[in-house]
Amino acid sequence: DVKVTQSSRYLVKRTGEKVFLECVQDMDHENMFWYRQDPGLGLRLIYFSYDVKMKEKGDIPEGYSVSREKKERFSLILESASTNQTSMYLCASNLGGHQPQHFGDGTRLSIL
Amino acid sequence: GQQLNQSPQSMFIQEGEDVSMNCTSSSIFNTWLWYKQDPGEGPVLLIALYKAGELTSNGRLTAQFGITRKDSFLNISASIPSDVGIYFCAGQRDDKIIFGKGTRLHILP
Repeated sequence: DVKVTQSSRYLVKRTGEKVFLECVQDMDHENMFWYRQDPGLGLRLIYFSYDVKMKEKGDIPEGYSVSREKKERFSLILESASTNQTSMYLCASNLGGHQPQHFGDGTRLSIL
Repeated sequence: GQQLNQSPQSMFIQEGEDVSMNCTSSSIFNTWLWYKQDPGEGPVLLIALYKAGELTSNGRLTAQFGITRKDSFLNISASIPSDVGIYFCAGQRDDKIIFGKGTRLHILP
């Protein structure tokens, strides 16, 4: 079974802090993705990566950056957290092509 | 941009009833996916469809890839309490994936 692991289920941070969300997959997947999920807005793509050290902006990259130093790990960084970044963050990965994405359990992030 | 219209947004049904939900788009897709998300969890893949007209089952769940490649439906037969959750469709084409906004399923005792 595919396993996508997000480091924290719940996280509370303060405005202005630098926040790191970590995601690891154990299936040697090429592609990794970061989404945020908000009521009424569905899943929105923040950033994705097709290979190590490679990153592409998704639909809402502002205020975020990512890092992919190793194939299995994809980190999402909130450079200076703001209250409007309070959300559920979901990491996903897939093998590429038309293969389905598999999701982690999510990190519910609150910015106070 | 591309959009998926998923309906209904929510459903209230009695335990034991059958459920049907669908997704439509003005764009064609090469793959249709159905996910379920339990409260506080990430989406879990239920069924993947790769070919127009394909009908695939997973236990009590059945999904079909529409002939036009612009729609898909998911049926759940004989619903049980653990079917409660949000069901998402997703259309995939050329490495791009679009998600529906979800159908929230409530089951009344």
